Amino acid sequence: GAGVSQSPRYKVAKRGQDVALRCDPISGHVSLFWYQQALGQGPEFLTYFQNEAQLDKSGLPSDRFFAERPEGSVSTLKIQRTQQEDSAVYLCASSAIVFESGRHTIYFGEGSWLTVV
Amino acid sequence: GENVEQHPSTLSVQEGDSAVIKCTYSDSASNYFPWYKQELGKGPQLIIDIRSNVGEKKDQRIAVTLNKTAKHFSLHITETQPEDSAVYFCAARRNTPLVFGKGTRLSVIA
Repeated sequence: GAGVSQSPRYKVAKRGQDVALRCDPISGHVSLFWYQQALGQGPEFLTYFQNEAQLDKSGLPSDRFFAERPEGSVSTLKIQRTQQEDSAVYLCASSAIVFESGRHTIYFGEGSWLTVV
Repeated sequence: GENVEQHPSTLSVQEGDSAVIKCTYSDSASNYFPWYKQELGKGPQLIIDIRSNVGEKKDQRIAVTLNKTAKHFSLHITETQPEDSAVYFCAARRNTPLVFGKGTRLSVIA
């Protein structure tokens, strides 16, 4: 596709409900990132994939957060037993090459806005 | 790990004036410094970036400067226009995913 696509754009979940957020990166992009952006804050790193391999998940705030990219393309971020503090925008980003190369231009999607009530 | 501080948090300028946003970083090994513009309800959009082997880069009305010794970099927008109004984020990285500043809300007053 032309850009990084995320769905749903908006999700309202009841506390305790599980949610799944989908990311379609730019076609052929090797690297995929998930970031969490609270209201009025900058994006904060959650996890990183190189193809299907999850190389860094140090930013996931708890074991309720789980991400996968089984075929090295589409990725899903799953949040179990959602809590109010999970309310945020979840941004997906992708890059054509591995970021370790030092040439690291990444492109963001529009985000999935999650509100937990 | 890397820590990025960004100032000011809000900035108002008259249309046609210049705007400057400053960031400092903590990891002297960081080598890539992008700037993103985020409009309401949208994802961050890359507007300019600079790598550690360059001191300054310009693209039309936008310029970025980097001082590696002092570990700070700045975004300069000249001849501001109302459509420049948005939140701007600086970021830095070495061999890690990007670390972002907290953002600057720029308002250009017509």
